[in-house]
Amino acid sequence: KQEVTQIPAALSVPEGENLVLNCSFTDSAIYNLQWFRQDPGKGLTSLLLIQSSQREQTSGRLNASLDKSSGRSTLYIAASQPGDSATYLCAVSPPELSFGAGTTVTVRA
Amino acid sequence: DVKVTQSSRYLVKRTGEKVFLECVQDMDHENMFWYRQDPGLGLRLIYFSYDVKMKEKGDIPEGYSVSREKKERFSLILESASTNQTSMYLCASSLSVGAGGIYEQYFGPGTRLTVT
Repeated sequence: KQEVTQIPAALSVPEGENLVLNCSFTDSAIYNLQWFRQDPGKGLTSLLLIQSSQREQTSGRLNASLDKSSGRSTLYIAASQPGDSATYLCAVSPPELSFGAGTTVTVRA
Repeated sequence: DVKVTQSSRYLVKRTGEKVFLECVQDMDHENMFWYRQDPGLGLRLIYFSYDVKMKEKGDIPEGYSVSREKKERFSLILESASTNQTSMYLCASSLSVGAGGIYEQYFGPGTRLTVT
């Protein structure tokens, strides 16, 4: 059974600092990996999806890398802002998603 | 934009009641999913469906059933609600890719269910 781990569980940084969020998974036979953002009491918003054949994806200040062989993905958020404060979840598929527990990020103004 | 809607944001029910949670997506997605999210346990898959009238058990199906009579609608049913089913319930949908894979999942806003 696929197990997904996210470290650290919580992170607090001053505004402007770059964020590095880690995700590891036990079974490298994945179709894709997805990063989500969740605000308190809300649903999940998809940030980036990386197909298994890709090494990275970028969207604005967000960049996610994938190393299937080592079972790792990293989400980088450049020049963090207070609005980036949320919980970030990674999930891997096949075929349905297995989720990590998330990293709760606080960006201090 | 893909839109996934859930029938209620907040719901309070009594123990033993039959509860229906509805989810509707407007992008003609083949796949639909129901998760529950609890502090310290993360998101856990309850049931999913790859097609109309088709359903598959997820990790924690006990105490739940589902119905998918139309492609756009996926219902989660709690046959006899219990206090341990108090949780946040999230619905999602996605397209399919070949060989049983799924594409990007889109989530609804969630329903916070309290069973007293």
